[in-house]
Amino acid sequence: EAGVAQSPRYKIIEKRQSVAFWCNPISGHATLYWYQQILGQGPKLLIQFQNNGVVDDSQLPKDRFSAERLKGVDSTLKIQPAKLEDSAVYLCASSLQGSSYNSPLHFGNGTRLTVT
Amino acid sequence: GNSVTQMEGPVTLSEEAFLTINCTYTATGYPSLFWYVQYPGEGLQLLLKATKADDKGSNKGFEATYRKETTSFHLEKGSVQVSDSAVYFCALSNTGNQFYFGTGTSLTVIP
Repeated sequence: EAGVAQSPRYKIIEKRQSVAFWCNPISGHATLYWYQQILGQGPKLLIQFQNNGVVDDSQLPKDRFSAERLKGVDSTLKIQPAKLEDSAVYLCASSLQGSSYNSPLHFGNGTRLTVT
Repeated sequence: GNSVTQMEGPVTLSEEAFLTINCTYTATGYPSLFWYVQYPGEGLQLLLKATKADDKGSNKGFEATYRKETTSFHLEKGSVQVSDSAVYFCALSNTGNQFYFGTGTSLTVIP
C-alpha cells in the first residue's frame, strides 16, 4: 500500500511569513494526526482528526496555526505568521481506526521547516 | 495523565553488543505500547507493539515485554548491527487512539 505522503520535504521562510503543509494519508485511514518534532525531542501532537472532525487540538497554537481536513481525506496545516520557534519537522500520520487504541500510527517523512 | 519516560542517550555500542533501552510509562486505564524507529531524514516507523500486560512484541530481532507491575516496556536486542543506528521512540496509545511519545534515544552502532 502507498504510505503517507507529505509535501514539501523542506521549506525555508522568514519570520512573520506564512507557510502551508500538505498531507495525504493512507487510503481508508479514518484518523489523521499532525505532529511537531523539534530537534532532539519526541513528536508533539498538534491536532487529531477523525474523518473530517477534530478530536483533539488542545496543543495547537490557534492564534497562528490552523488545520483542515477536507472531505475526510487530505489535510493542510498552515502557520501564519511564523515565528523562529516554529522551526521543526512537521509530521503527518494516519491510523486505520480512531476509536481503537490498538491501531498503530503510520508516518510520512515529514516537512522540515526552517524559520529565519 | 499519560506520559512516557525513556532513558537518555546517546547510546553508542559496538557491533554485536547487547542493547537495552529503558522505557517506563504512566497511564490511565489499559494502554497499548509501541516502539517506533526513526532513521535520518525519515518519519517514524513502527518497530513493534504490545496491546496488553505480559504481551511480548518482536520484530527484526528486537523485543519488548509489556510489564504492568513495573509500568515498563524496555526494548532489547541481542546483537546490534550498524544498520540499527537510529533514534528509538517509546510510545503509548490510550482512549481515542491518542498517542504519547517519549523524547527518543539515539543509538549509534560502530563496526
